[in-house]
Amino acid sequence: DAKTTQPPSMDCAEGRAANLPCNHSTISGNEYVYWYRQIHSQGPQYIIHGLKNNETNEMASLIITEDRKSSTLILPHATLRDTAVYYCIVRPTWGAGSYQLTFGKGTKLSVIP
Amino acid sequence: GAVVSQHPSRVICKSGTSVKIECRSLDFQATTMFWYRQFPKQSLMLMATSNEGSKATYEQGVEKDKFLINHASLTLSTLTVTSAHPEDSSFYICSAFTSGRTSSYNEQFFGPGTRLTVL
Repeated sequence: DAKTTQPPSMDCAEGRAANLPCNHSTISGNEYVYWYRQIHSQGPQYIIHGLKNNETNEMASLIITEDRKSSTLILPHATLRDTAVYYCIVRPTWGAGSYQLTFGKGTKLSVIP
Repeated sequence: GAVVSQHPSRVICKSGTSVKIECRSLDFQATTMFWYRQFPKQSLMLMATSNEGSKATYEQGVEKDKFLINHASLTLSTLTVTSAHPEDSSFYICSAFTSGRTSSYNEQFFGPGTRLTVL
């Protein structure tokens, strides 16, 4: 079972920041938060991951709350090409299941011109 | 980033035939490969985990005799759908994992997927 909860859909105006929330209230201390996205009819694409500190890369920023029970993926300037389903996944750093990714239903982000 | 390819990208076959899908890691060695299945408007569901040189581990409810997985080398895994039926029509996606890329935590890389349609 997926251990995360995400809104099923969101809209964002092109050029604006897209903020995608994720709840993971049962996250364990050894679990990372990963974000992937899937553009229609393609394989998932890695975006970013974090443990407890905020992270930023060329694609996005990840903000994790201090209690680690939720996080927000931020696409700073959304483009039409960012329209996709975004998956928030928690995964152990080691031990059983550490290699597997369990996908929930994700959030369908639609970037509007 | 690392590249994973799948072949074919799309296949249409008649009911009762077998279809083989290849998954290759192009620029790295994958100790483990995963096979997922995705039905329309649904999320990815893990079917099986394959480790090079050993038998695949199948998720509950996935028939191992129907979905044959071979991981003969560190760069190639194959999924064969035997005696395919229309209900097997789906989007099949592989991913490759390596523990050797210490410069990155993103150890799992996905292929582009294979669309299977069984008539």
